[in-house]
Amino acid sequence: AQTVTQSQPEMSVQEAETVTLSCTYDTSENNYYLFWYKQPPSRQMILVIRQEAYKQQNATENRFSVNFQKAAKSFSLKISDSQLGDTAMYFCAFKARRGNAGNMLTFGGGTRLMVKP
Amino acid sequence: DGGITQSPKYLFRKEGQNVTLSCEQNLNHDAMYWYRQDPGQGLRLIYYSQIVNDFQKGDIAEGYSVSREKKESFPLTVTSAQKNPTAFYLCASTNRGAKNIQYFGAGTRLSVL
Repeated sequence: AQTVTQSQPEMSVQEAETVTLSCTYDTSENNYYLFWYKQPPSRQMILVIRQEAYKQQNATENRFSVNFQKAAKSFSLKISDSQLGDTAMYFCAFKARRGNAGNMLTFGGGTRLMVKP
Repeated sequence: DGGITQSPKYLFRKEGQNVTLSCEQNLNHDAMYWYRQDPGQGLRLIYYSQIVNDFQKGDIAEGYSVSREKKESFPLTVTSAQKNPTAFYLCASTNRGAKNIQYFGAGTRLSVL
């Protein structure tokens, strides 16, 4: 079974600054996917970024980038030039690549990020 | 627009009552999921379905039931056996061609009267 841990329940950052959210996971799988989802006050879950474990290059999406350390089983999210609209809960999630896993996601407990003006 | 529609947005359940949450998708996705989210916590999987007429229990299936009679629809029934149903419920779907990304509906908040 997989577990995902987000050790920072709450964080805050000043607008325009950079913040890093931590995520660690435990798995015996070698091939898997990692995701960061954002849940704003509207409660809609929105995909922020996706990383394939067999790719060494860290994924980036505009102001969002990850630091994927496979050996350390670490998957942190960096938000650059933070904006007020980035205020949300952020969830790290894991999915094994094996087909019989049913495409199920395992979620961490979330980090509440507040961007301050 | 393509997407996942959950209804109702808010739902109230009386003691001993079964209630059904609707989830419809027009993304032509094969797999659909139901998650429960309690305040300040992550998502926990209730049930999932990879194909029509087939579904599997997730981590917290007790007190819930589902059906998958159509590809587009995956309703969740919260039965009277679920003693603590107050939570936010999220439906998701995905496909092999969706890069393993799950897309979510806007959720239903269920409360007990």
